[in-house]
Amino acid sequence: EPEVTQTPSHQVTQMGQEVILRCVPISNHLYFYWYRQILGQKVEFLVSFYNNEISEKSEIFDDQFSVERPDGSNFTLKIRSTKLEDSAMYFCASTTGNPSGANVLTFGAGSRLTVL
Amino acid sequence: AQSVSQHNHHVILSEAASLELGCNYSYGGTVNLFWYVQYPGQHLQLLLKYFSGDPLVKGIKGFEAEFIKSKFSFNLRKPSVQWSDTAEYFCAVNSYNQGGKLIFGQGTELSVKP
Repeated sequence: EPEVTQTPSHQVTQMGQEVILRCVPISNHLYFYWYRQILGQKVEFLVSFYNNEISEKSEIFDDQFSVERPDGSNFTLKIRSTKLEDSAMYFCASTTGNPSGANVLTFGAGSRLTVL
Repeated sequence: AQSVSQHNHHVILSEAASLELGCNYSYGGTVNLFWYVQYPGQHLQLLLKYFSGDPLVKGIKGFEAEFIKSKFSFNLRKPSVQWSDTAEYFCAVNSYNQGGKLIFGQGTELSVKP
């Protein structure tokens, strides 16, 4: 069964450092997402990406965050200057896309980010 | 704004007990509904989904859920749980014609004692 793969599985960084989380979505999928889950809290939507541009972003996704699909396979989330509150599990997801929303997201295993 | 509420944060059951996890959402339009499961150390996996049609949907591993539109609910059930069902369960909603963006509930941790 096709999988969404994420790297690294765990990253520890110092506050203020830049972090890049990588995702390889399923090859025929067209819509890509990042979600995050702070420990003990709900899974929160960050951003969706389609046709090489952001289609929607949440209030969490401020100027410190950016996404890109540099080579047609990887889908990256960059945090420019990490803060303590960025510590969370970050999930990538992808789907073939259906304009009605009747589609199923396939999630990766997550990247745990710890900011010290 | 849409929101999803799961009433139980942590449920502890013995094997063979019946399970019902509550999920309510707030959105007035047409919605698609999902239950995802996250086993310890693993990624989110789809348990079942409702898009349209029969409001009683069956998923993997003997789980089912019933969409009750009048109550804005999509409760998850299983007649007899197993130790291997120990996991965190997430209810999620997206609204029709707004792409795949999911709104998640806060999750319910299920612990099944052998």
